Amino acid sequence: ETGVTQSPTHLIKTRGQQVTLRCSSQSGHNTVSWYQQALGQGPQFIFQYYREEENGRGNFPPRFSGLQFPNYSSELNVNALELDDSALYLCASSLAYEQFFGPGTRLTVL
Amino acid sequence: GENVEQHPSTLSVQEGDSAVIKCTYSDSASNYFPWYKQELGKRPQLIIDIRSNVGEKKDQRIAVTLNKTAKHFSLHITETQPEDSAVYFCAASRRGGADGLTFGKGTHLIIQP
Repeated sequence: ETGVTQSPTHLIKTRGQQVTLRCSSQSGHNTVSWYQQALGQGPQFIFQYYREEENGRGNFPPRFSGLQFPNYSSELNVNALELDDSALYLCASSLAYEQFFGPGTRLTVL
Repeated sequence: GENVEQHPSTLSVQEGDSAVIKCTYSDSASNYFPWYKQELGKRPQLIIDIRSNVGEKKDQRIAVTLNKTAKHFSLHITETQPEDSAVYFCAASRRGGADGLTFGKGTHLIIQP
């Protein structure tokens, strides 16, 4: 069984640019959630996808958007990057109650 | 929306002693409460979870208790070992994996040799 994977591991962007982060779900999991973890804080829920449809959203602006593909992998897109977007971005896949996290993508915005 | 408070922010215990981390939540509709362990530079790992239909769950040295009336839940680690040193996060949701988790701010657990 393959665990949750994310790419890239690290990314450096400048303010105003756009970024796409990728997540591959654990085998058989049909739900993907994305979280933002600032340094020294707990993860904050961005949104969730279930069978290619957005299934819930946290308190994040529309410039944070996502996709889920038929194989349940997912993308997180962030437009018009701001300095405060610098964080660890985590995805988590689930089938029932438990959510299993990927290793994250460290995004730095300069 | 849900709000999860976690205490303490830092906890230092002697190796072999017990550690207790406490969380409170605000949404009475929450019914799933997982705990995650995050080592430096690593992903959060699910270590134990509890649903609202039980009051306590144990897994070897780790236990979680839930008081739905008071809206608080706690993580208990007995016979602590150096490898227990990490940041621990509590979380809550209404529908488990079908819902976003609301996390506490974390507890940095330090095991003193």
